[in-house]
Amino acid sequence: DVKVTQSSRYLVKRTGEKVFLECVQDMDHENMFWYRQDPGLGLRLIYFSYDVKMKEKGDIPEGYSVSREKKERFSLILESASTNQTSMYLCASSLPDRGPGYSNQPQHFGDGTRLSIL
Amino acid sequence: AQKVTQAQTEISVVEKEDVTLDCVYETRDTTYYLFWYKQPPSGELVFLIRRNSFDEQNEISGRYSWNFQKSTSSFNFTITASQVVDSAVYFCALSGDNNDMRFGAGTRLTVKP
Repeated sequence: DVKVTQSSRYLVKRTGEKVFLECVQDMDHENMFWYRQDPGLGLRLIYFSYDVKMKEKGDIPEGYSVSREKKERFSLILESASTNQTSMYLCASSLPDRGPGYSNQPQHFGDGTRLSIL
Repeated sequence: AQKVTQAQTEISVVEKEDVTLDCVYETRDTTYYLFWYKQPPSGELVFLIRRNSFDEQNEISGRYSWNFQKSTSSFNFTITASQVVDSAVYFCALSGDNNDMRFGAGTRLTVKP
């Protein structure tokens, strides 16, 4: 089974801090994703990566950056945390696509990190 | 732009009842994929099913069934004889041609004993 591991289940940080959320997958998947989940809004894509050192913006990249130095690891960085970034963050991975679009393969998700910015 | 609407925010049923979760989508792509995911209280989203736009055959897997109708842009999910373990948030999602994955807002299903 695919295992996607997020480094923290709960995290509390202060406004203005630089925050790192780490995600590791063990199935050699090319694609990795970061989402945030908010009540009533579902999941919204922040960034995704289809290869090492490659990244693409999702719907809500503002205030975030990412790093993918190794295939199995995809980090989400909050450059200067703000209270409106309090949310549940979900990491996912998937096999590469076999057709149009980057995400027509099922994604495998981690347990999520509930981040609170005070 | 692509959009997924799950109009039912919360549903509550008693065990053994059948329940249908609605999903309506919008897309201009001719090739697209539809998904359902389950998020139990533990938090991890679990993939349930994927359908591509050229395959309108309905699917049954145990107590789960899916009804895909392009004419109404719907991809509904039915649980037959619901069980307490089915309690979760269920997400419908759409993936199209333009690197554009969209999730619905989710439906919280509570199955009471």
